Amino acid sequence: GDSVTQMEGPVTLSEEAFLTINCTYTATGYPSLFWYVQYPGEGLQLLLKATKADDKGSNKGFEATYRKETTSFHLEKGSVQVSDSAVYFCAPVGGTSYGKLTFGQGTILTVHP
Amino acid sequence: DSGVTQTPKHLITATGQRVTLRCSPRSGDLSVYWYQQSLDQGLQFLIQYYNGEERAKGNILERFSAQQFPDLHSELNLSSLELGDSALYFCASSSGGPFLGETQYFGPGTRLLVL
Repeated sequence: GDSVTQMEGPVTLSEEAFLTINCTYTATGYPSLFWYVQYPGEGLQLLLKATKADDKGSNKGFEATYRKETTSFHLEKGSVQVSDSAVYFCAPVGGTSYGKLTFGQGTILTVHP
Repeated sequence: DSGVTQTPKHLITATGQRVTLRCSPRSGDLSVYWYQQSLDQGLQFLIQYYNGEERAKGNILERFSAQQFPDLHSELNLSSLELGDSALYFCASSSGGPFLGETQYFGPGTRLLVL
């Protein structure tokens, strides 16, 4: 079945630092790839997605590129803010999964002023 | 606000009891998904319904069951509860089409505490 390996956390950064959260996946067929974010005390929200190889998803200054050759979908942001403190989940949706998301373990990001 | 509603927000109950969690999907969405989030297991897919029919099953215990009603709301029933069932239960909805890239919209979750 589908699986995800995410960068171990927690990640602690200062405001305006560069962020990378690594994500590699295994999935059948040609999966779609998602990053979801969970702010403290809230449900999950879609951050960005990519549906085919070499696509770049972007939102709120975050970016991730679908790399089929390395089966990766690393999340990046050039300058983080305190408000970006949250848990970030990478999730592929593979060809036989009927749309169900397979989540990584989540990466806790804390940004200090 | 995702448009997905879940009730109740919090639930405290005792071991051996049975509870029902309710989810109303976004208007027009035909698919409903249930996920469990716990500290030791992370975020896991439980079950999916599409237009009233079960479509996919994940790591759902036999003590748990779900259904989707004609008005498309869904209920997750948890019975013979154990301490380890304490978790945050999320419902998500999507239009349910065959496109794998469609977004799932998550509700705020129901926090279950089994004492």
